[in-house]
Amino acid sequence: EDQVTQSPEALRLQEGESSSLNCSYTVSGLRGLFWYRQDPGKGPEFLFTLYSAGEEKEKERLKATLTKKESFLHITAPKPEDSATYLCAGAGGTSYGKLTFGQGTILTVHP
Amino acid sequence: KAGVTQTPRYLIKTRGQQVTLSCSPISGHRSVSWYQQTPGQGLQFLFEYFSETQRNKGNFPGRFSGRQFSNSRSEMNVSTLELGDSALYLCASSLVDSGQQQYFGPGTRLTVT
Repeated sequence: EDQVTQSPEALRLQEGESSSLNCSYTVSGLRGLFWYRQDPGKGPEFLFTLYSAGEEKEKERLKATLTKKESFLHITAPKPEDSATYLCAGAGGTSYGKLTFGQGTILTVHP
Repeated sequence: KAGVTQTPRYLIKTRGQQVTLSCSPISGHRSVSWYQQTPGQGLQFLFEYFSETQRNKGNFPGRFSGRQFSNSRSEMNVSTLELGDSALYLCASSLVDSGQQQYFGPGTRLTVT
């Protein structure tokens, strides 16, 4: 059975304090590893897709990396507006339409 | 370009009733997936539809069903509602298996009393 585990469950940072979120995955026939951001009361918002080990992608203060067993979301000099739940998900098998999600990391950035 | 829309946004039902939720994907998107989100279980895959055919199904009881229409709009139905069905139901659409990301709607918040 496919499994995605995220850590930590919650992370509190001071503005400007860089850190990383971890996503460990066991997804059969991984086709892609996705990172989403979810704000309270809203649907997940796409951040990145990583397809193969060694791949990295960046967007503003966020950088996602992928190994054969894990993915990391690095947050550099975060701002309060980066506060959200960050979700990691794997797509395996025959379709990108079936995502296995981790439980998420709740990030709070204090000014 | 309009995003994924879901109706209704909020719904309160009584145990034993049935409910139908609707999802309109982004124009041109032919794949629609449904997920259930609860505080305890997180986001769990329900089913995926492509060209009116169910392509994948998650580990949910047969009370959960869905369908997709020729215009790619999708509905999901839950019969004989249980208290544990209270959740945020999210719909996501994507282009034809292109590896592109799924775009999520705002969800339907279902409360079963």
